Amino acid sequence: KAGVTQTPRYLIKTRGQQVTLSCSPISGHRSVSWYQQTPGQGLQFLFEYFSETQRNKGNFPGRFSGRQFSNSRSEMNVSTLELGDSALYLCASSSQGSGGTYNEQFFGPGTRLTVL
Amino acid sequence: EDKVVQSPLSLVVHEGDTVTLNCSYEVTNFRSLLWYKQEKKAPTFLFMLTSSGIEKKSGRLSSILDKKELFSILNITATQTGDSAVYLCTTAPIREQGGKLIFGQGTELSVKP
Repeated sequence: KAGVTQTPRYLIKTRGQQVTLSCSPISGHRSVSWYQQTPGQGLQFLFEYFSETQRNKGNFPGRFSGRQFSNSRSEMNVSTLELGDSALYLCASSSQGSGGTYNEQFFGPGTRLTVL
Repeated sequence: EDKVVQSPLSLVVHEGDTVTLNCSYEVTNFRSLLWYKQEKKAPTFLFMLTSSGIEKKSGRLSSILDKKELFSILNITATQTGDSAVYLCTTAPIREQGGKLIFGQGTELSVKP
């Protein structure tokens, strides 16, 4: 079974630009979560999508948004980039059902975003 | 404010040693606690703990949750250099009540030969 894939793997942008990151979950997984990882803040939860609906959201500004398509692929968008948005962005998929607990999440390799 | 605190933040041991990593939490919406191992890539799942006092075990790794005292420990016995990694714990909420996963800062473990 193919793992979680993320594209692109590396990205360099300048302040004020916007960026779109893509995540393809493991086949059959309907839950996709996004995380930001930085040396100072560690791993922080951005949001989770299930069946094209955002189910939970972390404490990030509205510049961070996402969506999920009917095939469970997900995209994350960051508008008006700031220097502090430089980070590793990870997505994770899970075979989570319609309710209950967060099960084991399988992480993708991440997209390394550098904002200059 | 919800928080998850791991200790120690870093640890250096020699092969064969036994280590205990700690994770304490204060969250308003708690359903389970998960441990992940992160080497120079994406985190990989180790354990999920939902019930208090029941040890989960996988080879040389084991973990237990204490829901009364709000903490979990991860034990690694007979450490090997391949155990060198950052170990992350996270609390997961009851989905129906909303909320988000909250990660600790991680414990960086270095195992010397």
